[in-house]
Amino acid sequence: KAGVTQTPRYLIKTRGQQVTLSCSPISGHRSVSWYQQTPGQGLQFLFEYFSETQRNKGNFPGRFSGRQFSNSRSEMNVSTLELGDSALYLCASRHAGGRDEPYFGPGTRLTVT
Amino acid sequence: AQKVTQAQTEISVVEKEDVTLDCVYETRDTTYYLFWYKQPPSGELVFLIRRNSFDEQNEISGRYSWNFQKSTSSFNFTITASQVVDSAVYFCALSETLNTGTASKLTFGTGTRLQVTL
Repeated sequence: KAGVTQTPRYLIKTRGQQVTLSCSPISGHRSVSWYQQTPGQGLQFLFEYFSETQRNKGNFPGRFSGRQFSNSRSEMNVSTLELGDSALYLCASRHAGGRDEPYFGPGTRLTVT
Repeated sequence: AQKVTQAQTEISVVEKEDVTLDCVYETRDTTYYLFWYKQPPSGELVFLIRRNSFDEQNEISGRYSWNFQKSTSSFNFTITASQVVDSAVYFCALSETLNTGTASKLTFGTGTRLQVTL
């Protein structure tokens, strides 16, 4: 079974631009979550989508948004990029929530200059 | 609010030594799940174990073992006879339970960097 895939793996953007990251979950998994990892703040939850609906949201500004498609693939968008948005963005998928564990993708490393 | 504390920032051991990584958590949920993940230099978080709050049985998987103690809110991870390939950052995590009873977001500890040398 293929794992969670994320594209692109690396990205360099300029302050003020916007960016879209993509995540394809493990086949059959309906829940997708996004996390931001930085040296200063560690791993922080951004949001979770289940069946195309946002089920939970972390404490991030409105510049961070996401969506999930009918095939469970998910995208997250960051508008008006700031230097502090430089991070590793990790996507995780799980079957439905509950007792199962999230499996993480390799991440997208975003650098904002 | 949920909280996970990994007090050990970095541990260095020589190969074949045993090492224990500590994890202490705080939650008001009566049902919750605890996890351990390994993050090698490549960056991907690799799932190691899940434990639910009703199951306090310790678990052993090869050289890995986990000790869950609800009375002290701890979920410690021991690697027996460590190897160089065990070098990585290890994260303990706690899941939040929504009103529907579904486990949702993970709250991570700050991680413990394990360095195993020859």
